[in-house]
Amino acid sequence: DAKTTQPDSMESTEGETVHLPCSHATISGNEYIYWYRQVPLQGPEYVTHGLQQNTTNSMAFLAIASDRKSSTLILPHVSLRDAAVYHCILRVGRGQGTGSKLSFGKGAKLTVSP
Amino acid sequence: GGIITQTPKFLIGQEGQKLTLKCQQNFNHDTMYWYRQDSGKGLRLIYYSITENDLQKGDLSEGYDASREKKSSFSLTVTSAQKNEMAVFLCASRTGGSAETLYFGSGTRLTVL
Repeated sequence: DAKTTQPDSMESTEGETVHLPCSHATISGNEYIYWYRQVPLQGPEYVTHGLQQNTTNSMAFLAIASDRKSSTLILPHVSLRDAAVYHCILRVGRGQGTGSKLSFGKGAKLTVSP
Repeated sequence: GGIITQTPKFLIGQEGQKLTLKCQQNFNHDTMYWYRQDSGKGLRLIYYSITENDLQKGDLSEGYDASREKKSSFSLTVTSAQKNEMAVFLCASRTGGSAETLYFGSGTRLTVL
């Protein structure tokens, strides 16, 4: 299974734009990059995902390197509610309709100060 | 929208006890998962199921059994609780297609005395 590497923690201040890096040097060609975030006492929440192209939604912008060996989740104008553990993970498995493992690491803890 | 409901939210057991955790989803998703999360650590996959009556072992299946008798429910049994064990068990289901989005419940917090 391909693995990801993230910093253990990052600090920010309200209103800043935060860049959360993720390294996945052994990613396979058909593996998607997923980002989830988790706040205390809750399960992880989906943020975004991508394959090759950069993606954007109401929560975040995902920048994927051209060689796909790294990606960056960009959170514009963070607020206190964005404080969470952010997990960068890769889809493991093959084929539509088949179950597949999704393995999570420790993630990166984002702290947001007022 | 749908929801994943895990019961109970808190579970206290005794060493050696068999304990069952339940998970219900109304997304009509085919695939469901059980993960274990220890304090300050990542999620480890225990079991998953791609359809009713299907069971697939994850990385941490030893010491656990699972059951998927209905599409909407997926239960996990700790076959023999270990003393001083503390963890959060998270259930999830996923959308279909080549890309997968997981939806998680809020977890069952297990304490073994």
